[in-house]
Amino acid sequence: NAGVTQTPKFRVLKTGQSMTLLCAQDMNHEYMYWYRQDPGMGLRLIHYSVGEGTTAKGEVPDGYNVSRLKKQNFLLGLESAAPSQTSVYFCASSYSIGAEAFFGQGTRLTVV
Amino acid sequence: KQEVTQIPAALSVPEGENLVLNCSFTDSAIYNLQWFRQDPGKGLTSLLLIQSSQREQTSGRLNASLDKSSGRSTLYIAASQPGDSATYLCAVKNNAGNMLTFGGGTRLMVKP
Repeated sequence: NAGVTQTPKFRVLKTGQSMTLLCAQDMNHEYMYWYRQDPGMGLRLIHYSVGEGTTAKGEVPDGYNVSRLKKQNFLLGLESAAPSQTSVYFCASSYSIGAEAFFGQGTRLTVV
Repeated sequence: KQEVTQIPAALSVPEGENLVLNCSFTDSAIYNLQWFRQDPGKGLTSLLLIQSSQREQTSGRLNASLDKSSGRSTLYIAASQPGDSATYLCAVKNNAGNMLTFGGGTRLMVKP
């Protein structure tokens, strides 16, 4: 029972490089989310999706883009990475708006 | 804007002790509240979800209560074990909006 799977688990980028983080869930959930976790700041919502083909901005969306072309996948893109984007990124999903949220294991990203 | 606070930030107890973790929130118009556990370098594991109409939820040695009117939730851990050592996070879902607002967490250490 995989749940929510994030790829990759670790990555080091140089400033200005681009990359895509992949989140896949096998629970047929409608809602998917991308959070970042920083010391002293807690978890903050970057972008979310309420269904296939939809995306919306969260609390800290600047510098990120997302896509939800398939219901089971939610991609987070960094077009031009900055050191301020060094963080641990978590993907989550839930069946409905008020249902229990399930999280992936996280992606630790360092931008140098 | 919803703000979630967890006190204490860190707690160290001897094995076998019963303990209470606190979570407070500023806006009582919540849909539900969820407690998570996070082990170092890992993702978040859902422990308990309390809907706004509920007063408490129980799972094994864990019991979570919710007092929406006073903006408080507590997580009670009975007969603590070294394996309970982790960071415990609470998160609230407001009636409006699609995001979870997280507290800063309580880092628990249970000593053998």
